Amino acid sequence: DVVMTQSPLSLPVTLGQPASISCRSSQSLVYSDGNTYLNWFQQRPGQSPRRLIYKVSNRDSGVPDRFSGSGSGTDFTLKISRVEAEDVGVYYCMQGTHWRTFGGGTKVEIK
Amino acid sequence: EVQLVESGGDLVKPGGSLRVSCAASGFTFNNAWMSWVRQTPGKGLEWVGRIKRIIDGGTTDYAAPVKGRFTILRDDSENTLYLQMNSLNIEDTGVYYCTTEEDGGFAHWGQGTLVTVSS
Repeated sequence: DVVMTQSPLSLPVTLGQPASISCRSSQSLVYSDGNTYLNWFQQRPGQSPRRLIYKVSNRDSGVPDRFSGSGSGTDFTLKISRVEAEDVGVYYCMQGTHWRTFGGGTKVEIK
Repeated sequence: EVQLVESGGDLVKPGGSLRVSCAASGFTFNNAWMSWVRQTPGKGLEWVGRIKRIIDGGTTDYAAPVKGRFTILRDDSENTLYLQMNSLNIEDTGVYYCTTEEDGGFAHWGQGTLVTVSS
């Protein structure tokens, strides 16, 4: 199985400041079709997960442009340009190249 | 608007069986690949399995921990997805989500249904 490792586990941030979450896979996520199936999800307290980003850097409909994804191969990053109160929650990366596996999550909280 | 509404979660004894359902609306269900994802206290978010659309063969794939015990079914005439779970064990306790599969990930999620396996 492909292991997805996220860091940090917890991320205290100041409102209006940027935040960055790292995700590393145990093997390359480049699929035979040339795409890299790396997704990011947000789970607010008491809610279901919501996809923010697919194929490394594509925002889902309705996702604010302060969220951006980048990376390649085995190393990926989710950035929030200016954190807002509604961004509190747990963020997960997930690979869809070798079946599907999730990272352990990063809890974003306000300082 | 895409809506996925799970139901059927319950308290089950180890070794027991349970079927949960997902009613879909707001999109063309028979054109969608569908997956079940669970969130458990022990392993966090975990993909359970998926079913392709009928024109792609309607075939299923399962994660190793559930293979041979769980079965995913779809009824395109009723826009409903099912997860039949047999030989349940304590590690299967968690919230089960119905999702749509798009672009190598899970684009839309239901609110989840809680399955508790306990004696």
